Amino acid sequence: GDSVTQMEGPVTLSEEAFLTINCTYTATGYPSLFWYVQYPGEGLQLLLKATKADDKGSNKGFEATYRKETTSFHLEKGSVQVSDSAVYFCAPPYGNKLVFGAGTILRVKS
Amino acid sequence: NAGVTQTPKFQVLKTGQSMTLQCAQDMNHEYMSWYRQDPGMGLRLIHYSVGAGITDQGEVPNGYNVSRSTTEDFPLRLLSAAPSQTSVYFCASTLDRNTIYFGEGSWLTVV
Repeated sequence: GDSVTQMEGPVTLSEEAFLTINCTYTATGYPSLFWYVQYPGEGLQLLLKATKADDKGSNKGFEATYRKETTSFHLEKGSVQVSDSAVYFCAPPYGNKLVFGAGTILRVKS
Repeated sequence: NAGVTQTPKFQVLKTGQSMTLQCAQDMNHEYMSWYRQDPGMGLRLIHYSVGAGITDQGEVPNGYNVSRSTTEDFPLRLLSAAPSQTSVYFCASTLDRNTIYFGEGSWLTVV
């Protein structure tokens, strides 16, 4: 069935470092892809999305490009801040059961 | 437009007690779901509903009941609380499975 594989964390970076969190998917067809973020003590919220191959989603300095040839949707940010410390979820292609994985914990040190 | 509202935010229960976590959304979303989040386990789907009168089990349904009598409300009932149900619970809703909206969470401790 449709699913995603997301790199495990935690990822610990210094402020202003470059961030990559890998996500690859298996799906029938070319579904929309999403990244969600969960800040401490809060629920998940949509960070960015891409609706078709070669689309780039972007928000708050984060980017992810929908790569059909590698079935990937890696999350990147050029210069992380302490305020980016959170859990990041690559959301699976959607069916009726919206199942998320464990997410990747990002810790940014000042 | 309040989004997804969960109550209570914090609750302590004794083993064997029952309670209901409330979830309401005002966006006219057909799809609603409940998750629990435990350290290192990510979000696990408990139950979901694709519309009023329709519910189905997720990954970890045991010990929980749900009902969906209206589009707006999707309560989660713990029938006989156990310490293993200590967790953070999130309710979510979506119109077209595109953007999912989450509540702020309910922290439950069973002693």
